[in-house]
Parts: sequence; structure tokens; C-alpha cells
Amino acid sequence: DTAVSQTPKYLVTQMGNDKSIKCEQNLGHDTMYWYKQDSKKFLKIMFSYNNKELIINETVPNRFSPKSPDKAHLNLHINSLELGDSAVYFCASSLGLAGYNEQFFGPGTRLTVL
Amino acid sequence: AQTVTQSQPEMSVQEAETVTLSCTYDTSENNYYLFWYKQPPSRQMILVIRQEAYKQQNATENRFSVNFQKAAKSFSLKISDSQLGDTAMYFCAFIHEGNSGGSNYKLTFGKGTLLTVNP
Repeated sequence: DTAVSQTPKYLVTQMGNDKSIKCEQNLGHDTMYWYKQDSKKFLKIMFSYNNKELIINETVPNRFSPKSPDKAHLNLHINSLELGDSAVYFCASSLGLAGYNEQFFGPGTRLTVL
Repeated sequence: AQTVTQSQPEMSVQEAETVTLSCTYDTSENNYYLFWYKQPPSRQMILVIRQEAYKQQNATENRFSVNFQKAAKSFSLKISDSQLGDTAMYFCAFIHEGNSGGSNYKLTFGKGTLLTVNP
């Protein structure tokens, strides 16, 4: 009974390629997020969506485009991959936007750009 | 903008002993929430404990407890009877109650403390 799932778990690709990471939650939550964890383990929010509406876009390059086809899914598409995009990307979800709502994290996708 | 500082990049403790991880944060708002997340080598982010700023009582979850000092903006995590399975990165995190102070409902993390429990 996976609550927040991501595919793939590992992604190795060449510079310049375009790739997507998919995220699905079966918790019935309204809010979903993408976080980036860099090589020093620093975790930072990239995007959040509430009821399919973009709420947070944290100065992420335009090459990153999130898409939320419905409340249960938030996919991340990355164009023209660069070496600096190598990181672990976490999807998360919560009941709503308010701070008291616990965020549940997916298992992460380790992206390696060669 | 809110910031979260974890001043201990690495710590170690002997099995069965007690260890305290420190965290300070900065905000001008009054209503917010604080969290400790654990990230073991499996990479999964797991919520360990949370504290509501309006509550004076320190949160406790089994062997995990916090020392929340609102005036000092300090939120330390105490792990009692440390177990080998507690070996992980621990992240302190902060979020405002609502869309206040321009936070846009953003969960902000500290840089983490790598805790190693030695047998």
C-alpha cells in the first residue's frame, strides 16, 4: 500500500536529453510537491500544487516543468538536462496547504546526468 | 524569509545512550510548526516528531522528544536509548501556519545532522 510512489527510482541519462519523473499519491491529498536534494543532502522545495493549481514555483529554471493532470498525480518534466541537475528528487503530498498538514514523501528518484 | 540552522553536521553516540540534536530557526511570525524528519540510508524521508508553536508542552514520541524554546527560537531533538536503526540524517524543518510573511506555505529544511549510532 504505497502512499506516495515515484517512477523511476533511478535515472541515468546524457546531458541535453529530456526526461520525466512521475509521482502518484493514493492518500486522497489535495496538495503535492517536488523537492530537490543536492549532493550535500540539502533539501529544497521546487514546486507545489494545490488542487492542480500551481502555488509555489521556487525560482526553478524554465527547463523544469511540473504537470498535474489530476490531484493524485504530479509529474516533473526536465528539458535539456545539465550536469547540475544531478540530484535526488522527492515528491511529497499533504492533505492541504496549511502548515499543520504533515507532508508524506515518496522514495525519491536519483537522477544522474552524464 | 525563514531560515533553519543545524549547527552540527555530524554526531555520534553509543548504543543505548542519549543524544541531542540542535536546531534554531528565524521567523517574525507567531504561528508556525516545527518538524524533525529522519532520512536513513534507504533515502526515505520519515517524520519523527512535530511541534505546534502555540503549544507550550514539548512533543514526545516514544524515545524521541523535543525541547522547544519559542523565545530563543530553538527546537532540539533528544533521542533516548539510541538504537542502531536510529543511524540516519536528521533534518529540522519549519513551516508557517498559513501564507504569512510571504512564505507561500513553504516547508524549509535545515542542512541536516548525520547521526551515527555505534554498537
